[in-house]
Amino acid sequence: DQQVKQNSPSLSVQEGRISILNCDYTNSMFDYFLWYKKYPAEGPTFLISISSIKDKNEDGRFTVFLNKSAKHLSLHIVPSQPGDSAVYFCAASGSGNTGKLIFGQGTTLQVKP
Amino acid sequence: EPEVTQTPSHQVTQMGQEVILRCVPISNHLYFYWYRQILGQKVEFLVSFYNNEISEKSEIFDDQFSVERPDGSNFTLKIRSTKLEDSAMYFCASNLDRAANEKLFFGSGTQLSVL
Repeated sequence: DQQVKQNSPSLSVQEGRISILNCDYTNSMFDYFLWYKKYPAEGPTFLISISSIKDKNEDGRFTVFLNKSAKHLSLHIVPSQPGDSAVYFCAASGSGNTGKLIFGQGTTLQVKP
Repeated sequence: EPEVTQTPSHQVTQMGQEVILRCVPISNHLYFYWYRQILGQKVEFLVSFYNNEISEKSEIFDDQFSVERPDGSNFTLKIRSTKLEDSAMYFCASNLDRAANEKLFFGSGTQLSVL
């Protein structure tokens, strides 16, 4: 099942710079896209989401962009902070309001001081 | 902030044994889920549960798996006869509404190791 893909397993950026995490999907029926962050020994925590009818959603330092024609979304973190170092999962929610999420493989972000 | 609690944090069992993973969802939440993550792989949906019955389950959730809400606070996942490939981190999650944009709250997980 490769409906949601994060092709970059890891990303390293300098503190204060922009982090861009990418995600591709194949199923055009997805209604919502969400980003979760995961620290070691913890469960995923919700970060930000975007509806399929929008192309941008912003929350503080975090912005998610959605390009439906390309079936691509990205998460921008600016400025990046060392505390942002974690695994970031892209997830998609299908139609039917089932509550089921389909996750990508995750990208490990390291923000260097 | 309220949180989902999972016990134990680590569980080691012998192949063929039964295990029960326990979760206490957030108290006013109505929808409950189990996900798992095999080391190095994606977080995968197992099952969703509402109103004391399964709403949806994945292909992984075969008849070796069962879920139960035995009382008003606990939500359990039972694996009847564990296999080596059941070794994974199991996450419980809950939310108030299963709308597509409703975020899930995840517990810290139970690391299951089947020997």
